[in-house]
Amino acid sequence: AQSVTQLGSHVSVSEGALVLLRCNYSSSVPPYLFWYVQYPNQGLQLLLKYTSAATLVKGINGFEAEFKKSETSFHLTKPSAHMSDAAEYFCAVSVTGNQFYFGTGTSLTVIP
Amino acid sequence: KAGVTQTPRYLIKTRGQQVTLSCSPISGHRSVSWYQQTPGQGLQFLFEYFSETQRNKGNFPGRFSGRQFSNSRSEMNVSTLELGDSALYLCASSLVPGGATGELFFGEGSRLTVL
Repeated sequence: AQSVTQLGSHVSVSEGALVLLRCNYSSSVPPYLFWYVQYPNQGLQLLLKYTSAATLVKGINGFEAEFKKSETSFHLTKPSAHMSDAAEYFCAVSVTGNQFYFGTGTSLTVIP
Repeated sequence: KAGVTQTPRYLIKTRGQQVTLSCSPISGHRSVSWYQQTPGQGLQFLFEYFSETQRNKGNFPGRFSGRQFSNSRSEMNVSTLELGDSALYLCASSLVPGGATGELFFGEGSRLTVL
């Protein structure tokens, strides 16, 4: 079975500081991994995805994530936080043909 | 290209009532999934439909049901509402089922409040 653990339900960073949101997964087979972002009163939108190509994945709005099989991790980073990055972030895992499993989310606050 | 449309966006019901939520997927998408989102629980998978057939079902009681029509539009129904059913219900569509294409497209959700 697949599962996702997001460490830290709330993360606060100063504007311009590094953003690091942690995600660890469990999967018995090579997974697809995703980060989604949810702004207030909106649905989720895809930030980036890992589908067994390059281990460093670049997404929208300057975000990137690195797939580390040995650590079963897929942490999301952004070098410099912007006020507009304040949102809820969800990590998800999927195996071909099966459903998505989402983490419980990390709420990012950006302090001016 | 229109996105995923969910109706209604907001609704208030009382305990014991039932509710039906609707989801129109992106044109051409045949797979529709439903999720329940509550604070601290993240997204809990309800069920997935593809070509009018339920492919997967999450761990929810039988009060939660769904269906998909020939035009790929989907509805979910919750009967005998309980206070704990208050949540944001999200619908997501994709070209094919599960994670095969690697992306789900989400609607803005239907926020249900049960009093």
